[in-house]
Amino acid sequence: SQTIHQWPATLVQPVGSPLSLECTVEGTSNPNLYWYRQAAGRGLQLLFYSVGIGQISSEVPQNLSASRPQDRQFILSSKKLLLSDSGFYLCAWSVVGKEGRDNWGNEQFFGPGTRLTVL
Amino acid sequence: GQNIDQPTEMTATEGAIVQINCTYQTSGFNGLFWYQQHAGEAPTFLSYNVLDGLEEKGRFSSFLSRSKGYSYLLLKELQMKDSASYLCAVRDVWAGDYKLSFGAGTTVTVRA
Repeated sequence: SQTIHQWPATLVQPVGSPLSLECTVEGTSNPNLYWYRQAAGRGLQLLFYSVGIGQISSEVPQNLSASRPQDRQFILSSKKLLLSDSGFYLCAWSVVGKEGRDNWGNEQFFGPGTRLTVL
Repeated sequence: GQNIDQPTEMTATEGAIVQINCTYQTSGFNGLFWYQQHAGEAPTFLSYNVLDGLEEKGRFSSFLSRSKGYSYLLLKELQMKDSASYLCAVRDVWAGDYKLSFGAGTTVTVRA
């Protein structure tokens, strides 16, 4: 079975400090990978997605960046955090190329999340 | 992008039925998803609709009308553990098959 891990679970960082959040997926190959941010009481905002190693698409211009050094590893980084970067960061994966009315609708499976507080 | 609208909050009694509506606007509809998210936790997949009609999974059902840009999630025999936020998400083929756009979520509170 597939599992997705994120760490750390919680993080408190000062403004201007760097950030590195890591996500790994087990039990599948060549997944699509995603980074979302969810601010308090808000919906999920897609930040980055990746369809393969080294392939990153950015959805929102900001001071964050993402990298995919290995097939099942996705990293979210920042050189200098802003107060507005606080939120709940979620990594997700999906299967490539399966369609249908059953469970394989390319739904995304989410990791446990990292709660980031920037002070 | 896609405009996805769903009510902010709903309250219902244990054992009752609640219907959460979702309307969307998209140029290349390619599937609608419902997720459940308990406070402080990650969203979990509930249902997927790509064709018109009703999909039933136990106490949860999801309906889609593509011509109306409308879906609903029906929760039957409500239990206290159903108190959560329910997220509607749409996939648009023109935005890329890999991406979902999420609504802000509907917080459902189940009362005894």
